[in-house]
Amino acid sequence: AQSVTQLDSQVPVFEEAPVELRCNYSSSVSVYLFWYVQYPNQGLQLLLKYLSGSTLVKGINGFEAEFNKSQTSFHLRKPSVHISDTAEYFCAVSDIYGGSQGNLIFGKGTKLSVKP
Amino acid sequence: EAGVAQSPRYKIIEKRQSVAFWCNPISGHATLYWYQQILGQGPKLLIQFQNNGVVDDSQLPKDRFSAERLKGVDSTLKIQPAKLEDSAVYLCASSLPSRIEKLFFGSGTQLSVL
Repeated sequence: AQSVTQLDSQVPVFEEAPVELRCNYSSSVSVYLFWYVQYPNQGLQLLLKYLSGSTLVKGINGFEAEFNKSQTSFHLRKPSVHISDTAEYFCAVSDIYGGSQGNLIFGKGTKLSVKP
Repeated sequence: EAGVAQSPRYKIIEKRQSVAFWCNPISGHATLYWYQQILGQGPKLLIQFQNNGVVDDSQLPKDRFSAERLKGVDSTLKIQPAKLEDSAVYLCASSLPSRIEKLFFGSGTQLSVL
């Protein structure tokens, strides 16, 4: 069974500073990895995903993440954050061999708070 | 293209009452999911449908929760009777078959059980 650990429940940062949100996963099989963002009172929106190929993945809103198989990590980064990036971010994993391929396992989330 | 529609947006009930949530997936999406998101936690899969058949309901508390997807389009999730710990946001999501990388979520129904 897979699991996801988001190491920080809250990350406060000043505007225009860089940020890294950490995510580690465990799985006995190959996985797909995802980062979702949830703005207040809204549903989940996909930021980026790793399926295969290049380990550096670029997503929307200037975010990127790097898949590190040896460290089983998929950390999310942005070089310069904006106030509008304030939201909750969820890392998720899916087993690529699962018959349903639909069971996304989510971490508990990291609340990013960008201060002016 | 229209997104995943859910209603109601908010619902407040007392414990032991019944409640139902509705989801209309993106047109053509055969796979539909219901997730439960408790405050401070990530979403947890409750049930997955492929057309009108259940693919995975291993985490659905079947003594009180039920879900159906008649005609393979809209879906309803019901709780009867509700407990305090059912307070959560219930998210519906849909995708084409085996296309987890293109999963679309609705805005959710926020349930408060008093």
